[in-house]
Amino acid sequence: GAVVSQHPSWVICKSGTSVKIECRSLDFQATTMFWYRQFPKQSLMLMATSNEGSKATYEQGVEKDKFLINHASLTLSTLTVTSAHPEDSSFYICSASGTMNTEAFFGQGTRLTVV
Amino acid sequence: AQTVTQSQPEMSVQEAETVTLSCTYDTSESNYYLFWYKQPPSRQMILVIRQEAYKQQNATENRFSVNFQKAAKSFSLKISDSQLGDTAMYFCAFKARLNKLTFGKGITLSVRP
Repeated sequence: GAVVSQHPSWVICKSGTSVKIECRSLDFQATTMFWYRQFPKQSLMLMATSNEGSKATYEQGVEKDKFLINHASLTLSTLTVTSAHPEDSSFYICSASGTMNTEAFFGQGTRLTVV
Repeated sequence: AQTVTQSQPEMSVQEAETVTLSCTYDTSESNYYLFWYKQPPSRQMILVIRQEAYKQQNATENRFSVNFQKAAKSFSLKISDSQLGDTAMYFCAFKARLNKLTFGKGITLSVRP
């Protein structure tokens, strides 16, 4: 299967700072990338969908000014958590799919802790 | 809007036994895909099996098979010869035209030695 690499695997940051998470498709062109948030023992909650070269589409209730998503190339999407607060602490997962894919391929996830 | 329901929060099975995980969904779409994903303690999402709605034949991948009942909108996963490495959360998921996945709440499966 195709490989999606997410970096970093874990990050600790101070309240008020911003943190960037990268999601790369290593061996295919990802026309669409998805960003999820997951709390312990719960399901994945879709935050936003991004298509290469266009603005991300955010799910209802997700603050687009807080969670900045950029999908500037067919192999890279980034999620920036701006002015992070402890309540932003969570597990963030990206997934990617190409035009010929029926399935999405997932990154390893990023555990964010805001102190 | 699509919904995916996994009503069992957790299950336990003895090693080498068979277990079935339930999933129902609701949609007005006629063409869609259904998936089962596994999330072990590492939290990496792993695709277990995929079913195209237009195919009547149930998908099978080694010890994993599905019972797809389109009219009943049911999509259960059967794990045969359960192994300790099958211990994980399992998510049922749906995908249609918009290309985004809708996940169920998940079920925690524990395989006992």
